[in-house]
Amino acid sequence: AQTVTQSQPEMSVQEAETVTLSCTYDTSESDYYLFWYKQPPSRQMILVIRQEAYKQQNATENRFSVNFQKAAKSFSLKISDSQLGDAAMYFCAYRSEETSGSRLTFGEGTQLTVNP
Amino acid sequence: EAGVAQSPRYKIIEKRQSVAFWCNPISGHATLYWYQQILGQGPKLLIQFQNNGVVDDSQLPKDRFSAERLKGVDSTLKIQPAKLEDSAVYLCASSLREGPYNEQFFGPGTRLTVL
Repeated sequence: AQTVTQSQPEMSVQEAETVTLSCTYDTSESDYYLFWYKQPPSRQMILVIRQEAYKQQNATENRFSVNFQKAAKSFSLKISDSQLGDAAMYFCAYRSEETSGSRLTFGEGTQLTVNP
Repeated sequence: EAGVAQSPRYKIIEKRQSVAFWCNPISGHATLYWYQQILGQGPKLLIQFQNNGVVDDSQLPKDRFSAERLKGVDSTLKIQPAKLEDSAVYLCASSLREGPYNEQFFGPGTRLTVL
């Protein structure tokens, strides 16, 4: 079974600075997807960024980018020019492409605080 | 487009009581998911529907939890009887179809407290 680990329960960053959230995962599969989701307080979870394992190029979405290291099974999220609205719980998630179903396996989450 | 709707938003019950949650997915989305998110943890999939058929219910505690999606649209998740450890946020999500490339859209969740 796949597992996802986020070793940073809490992180903080100054507004306009850059922060990196860590994620590692364990799998025996070679085809899969990785995701970062954002869950603001009392609001619904939204997708931030997605990475296909077969792609060597790291995904980027505006101020959000990932550092995907397949051999190391590492998938970190970098937030540049942090804004107050980035404050939220961030979840790393794994999704197999080899097994039926579309189950997302989530990490424990990292609570990000953005200081003005 | 309207998002995933869930009700109620909050529910407090005594242990051994029954409770039901309702989810209305985004229109046209064939795949529906129920996740359980215990405080301090990431969500865990309970059950996945493709239209009105079950795709994955391997993590659903079937002795007390049940779910249905009768007409392939709305879904209900029931707990009977509830235990203290069922206190959690129950998230419903939907996607256009099955498959890892299809983004899952989440509802606001139902926060259940079992006393």
